[in-house]
Amino acid sequence: AQKVTQAQTEISVVEKEDVTLDCVYETRDTTYYLFWYKQPPSGELVFLIRRNSFDEQNEISGRYSWNFQKSTSSFNFTITASQVVDSAVYFCALSELIQGAQKLVFGQGTRLTINP
Amino acid sequence: DGGITQSPKYLFRKEGQNVTLSCEQNLNHDAMYWYRQDPGQGLRLIYYSQIVNDFQKGDIAEGYSVSREKKESFPLTVTSAQKNPTAFYLCASSATGADTQYFGPGTRLTVL
Repeated sequence: AQKVTQAQTEISVVEKEDVTLDCVYETRDTTYYLFWYKQPPSGELVFLIRRNSFDEQNEISGRYSWNFQKSTSSFNFTITASQVVDSAVYFCALSELIQGAQKLVFGQGTRLTINP
Repeated sequence: DGGITQSPKYLFRKEGQNVTLSCEQNLNHDAMYWYRQDPGQGLRLIYYSQIVNDFQKGDIAEGYSVSREKKESFPLTVTSAQKNPTAFYLCASSATGADTQYFGPGTRLTVL
């Protein structure tokens, strides 16, 4: 069965520190997608990134970077020089293809608090 | 502006009453989804629909029903058979069933 584990329930850092959110997944599929979503206090999930299982290149977008390692089944997310606006719950998700539809399996989420 | 709207933002109902949550999108997306989020938990899939007039059960469909009569609308009914309906409900859509899902702002349902 598909499973996503975010072992860090809560993280609290001081502004400008770098912080890494861990994500470990389990799947038997050879083709799959991994995602990160951000959930600010308003509640809406904001899409951050989608990564194909065949593409192990790291990705950087501004202060955000993602490290995908298939060998360890991990897809970690790093925020560099964190800001108060980064405070949110972050979810890692794994897609499971069922009859042509991508069903997302979510981790429990990591609550990130950036203190001024 | 294109996007996904959910209404109402907050909903209170008495135990035993059915309640319908609205989800509308003007993104011309084919696929739509309903998720449930409980405090401190990840999201769990209730129902999804890849095309009009077709939908499939997700992991926790018991006590819920949906319809997909129009491409832009995917309402969710929480029936009295749902034993613990108090939760945050999120609707999502994607261009096709295989594309990235984008989420609406959510509806927080409280059953008194």
